[in-house]
Amino acid sequence: SAVISQKPSRDICQRGTSLTIQCQVDSQVTMMFWYRQQPGQSLTLIATANQGSEATYESGFVIDKFPISRPNLTFSTLTVSNMSPEDSSIYLCSVERTPTGELFFGEGSRLTVL
Amino acid sequence: AQSVTQLDSQVPVFEEAPVELRCNYSSSVSVYLFWYVQYPNQGLQLLLKYLSGSTLVKGINGFEAEFNKSQTSFHLRKPSVHISDTAEYFCAVIFGGSNYKLTFGKGTLLTVNP
Repeated sequence: SAVISQKPSRDICQRGTSLTIQCQVDSQVTMMFWYRQQPGQSLTLIATANQGSEATYESGFVIDKFPISRPNLTFSTLTVSNMSPEDSSIYLCSVERTPTGELFFGEGSRLTVL
Repeated sequence: AQSVTQLDSQVPVFEEAPVELRCNYSSSVSVYLFWYVQYPNQGLQLLLKYLSGSTLVKGINGFEAEFNKSQTSFHLRKPSVHISDTAEYFCAVIFGGSNYKLTFGKGTLLTVNP
């Protein structure tokens, strides 16, 4: 299994500001994924981040709103830009263990936007 | 579109009773199937997975699930639940050709009462 650390674990932010969430993995991984879990909802994939290439965003998510960095094989960041209360969610980083395809998740970053 | 359906949003049971959490998915040539558990204020933890082979898979904490290809189902069962099993349970599927993207169901909140 992989150990995934996310920072911050929770934060309260003001409308219009931006927050960067960090994800650190204890081993090198090819693919990293960022998910959003809105209150009382399931997980929705925001984007897939591969080292050395642009992140691939899912429908409904754009780079200007959720810029992602992947500078190496153990680290990634997700920024939530120009936040509004609708962005209040848990944001989860996950990594894949090929060839089984199962994902390991960090404990999430709980974001509240006032 | 490929989808995962968890018919029950909430399942209340008494301690030591059996439980079944249902999961159905849209038909696909090949699938990998997973159940994740999310305890309050925590990230997701893998309970069990089906990749191939025996259709009955056993996971952690006494849970098991059976893959039924004809009914496109992957129901989760436990013969006797404990209060500590109270959590949100997510069924997730990797559909063939999806580049290892997990599609999650909406989750089932299992509440075990004394």
